[in-house]
Amino acid sequence: KQEVTQIPAALSVPEGENLVLNCSFTDSAIYNLQWFRQDPGKGLTSLLLIQSSQREQTSGRLNASLDKSSGRSTLYIAASQPGDSATYLCAVKGYGNKLVFGAGTILRVKS
Amino acid sequence: NAGVTQTPKFRVLKTGQSMTLLCAQDMNHEYMYWYRQDPGMGLRLIHYSVGEGTTAKGEVPDGYNVSRLKKQNFLLGLESAAPSQTSVYFCASSWSVYEQYFGPGTRLTVT
Repeated sequence: KQEVTQIPAALSVPEGENLVLNCSFTDSAIYNLQWFRQDPGKGLTSLLLIQSSQREQTSGRLNASLDKSSGRSTLYIAASQPGDSATYLCAVKGYGNKLVFGAGTILRVKS
Repeated sequence: NAGVTQTPKFRVLKTGQSMTLLCAQDMNHEYMYWYRQDPGMGLRLIHYSVGEGTTAKGEVPDGYNVSRLKKQNFLLGLESAAPSQTSVYFCASSWSVYEQYFGPGTRLTVT
């Protein structure tokens, strides 16, 4: 059974700092991996999707990497801003077309 | 283009009552999903559908039923609500195995 773990559970950083969020998964037979952002009381917004054949994806200040063999992904946020404060969720899709989510990392960027 | 919408946004039920949550999407997606999100546990898949008239069980299907009579709608039913079903419910849709798009969520409290 696929299990997804996100470390740390919570993170507080000063504005302008670069930061890394970690995601690990137990079964490397995945179809893709997706990073989401969730604001309090809101739905999920997809940030980046990495196919199993890819190593990384970039969107603006965000860069996500994938190392399928070691079961790890990282989300790098450059020059963090208070508006980046949210919960970040990692999810992996296996070949049964089901997303398995981690519990998330709560990020607070202090101004 | 509204994307994925969910009705209602909030609901309070008494133990034993029944209700139906409605999910609608206007992106002509084949696949639709229902998840629940509980504190500290990420999202868990309840049921999903790979096309009109089809449904399948996810990770936590007990106590829920679903129907997909029209391609654009996916209904989640609770026949006899229990306090353990207090949660935030999210609907999502996707084109085949690709990126999932999420609705804003329904916050359900069972007393």
